[in-house]
Amino acid sequence: DTAVSQTPKYLVTQMGNDKSIKCEQNLGHDTMYWYKQDSKKFLKIMFSYNNKELIINETVPNRFSPKSPDKAHLNLHINSLELGDSAVYFCASSRISGNTIYFGEGSWLTVV
Amino acid sequence: DQQVKQNSPSLSVQEGRISILNCDYTNSMFDYFLWYKKYPAEGPTFLISISSIKDKNEDGRFTVFLNKSAKHLSLHIVPSQPGDSAVYFCAASVEAAGNKLTFGGGTRVLVKP
Repeated sequence: DTAVSQTPKYLVTQMGNDKSIKCEQNLGHDTMYWYKQDSKKFLKIMFSYNNKELIINETVPNRFSPKSPDKAHLNLHINSLELGDSAVYFCASSRISGNTIYFGEGSWLTVV
Repeated sequence: DQQVKQNSPSLSVQEGRISILNCDYTNSMFDYFLWYKKYPAEGPTFLISISSIKDKNEDGRFTVFLNKSAKHLSLHIVPSQPGDSAVYFCAASVEAAGNKLTFGGGTRVLVKP
């Protein structure tokens, strides 16, 4: 059983499109995250949600909108996709009081 | 502004020998440090961590050392195995600020049989 699962794993789409990446965790964690790994391979946090409440928003363009229907799900919706949005997006989760973050396998987004 | 740096992009080591990965940080507020391992096309996997109240933590073949005065940590893998070939990321956080990890750029380790 995959602890943090995200879909799709690969996504190729055209500029200007709107797309979503879904994430689910079955670890019973209260906190979920989206991280982005850019072309230089740096992993950077985008958002963090605690029990469906946004707690970290790292100056991400408002074309990116996370949505957490419940504490086990955190979806990422991206409007008006741009070439620079091409990256690997990782969903992750942790306990509220836990310091260890568990990552999903990543979603490879390519905007053409 | 890179607050966590891994200055060696790659490392090659013979099977059975020690792998030493280094990580430097600039933010003195960081008080929790982690190492993650990443295989191609997979997500980072937690390896080992250390709190700033300690200077060493060991888990099997993996040992992390923390030198707070130098703002430096290292990961030792002994003995190295071919399955250890992966990219290793150092990460740091401020516990009171929630679980926001700041990652280094990674070190690619190749263990030769």
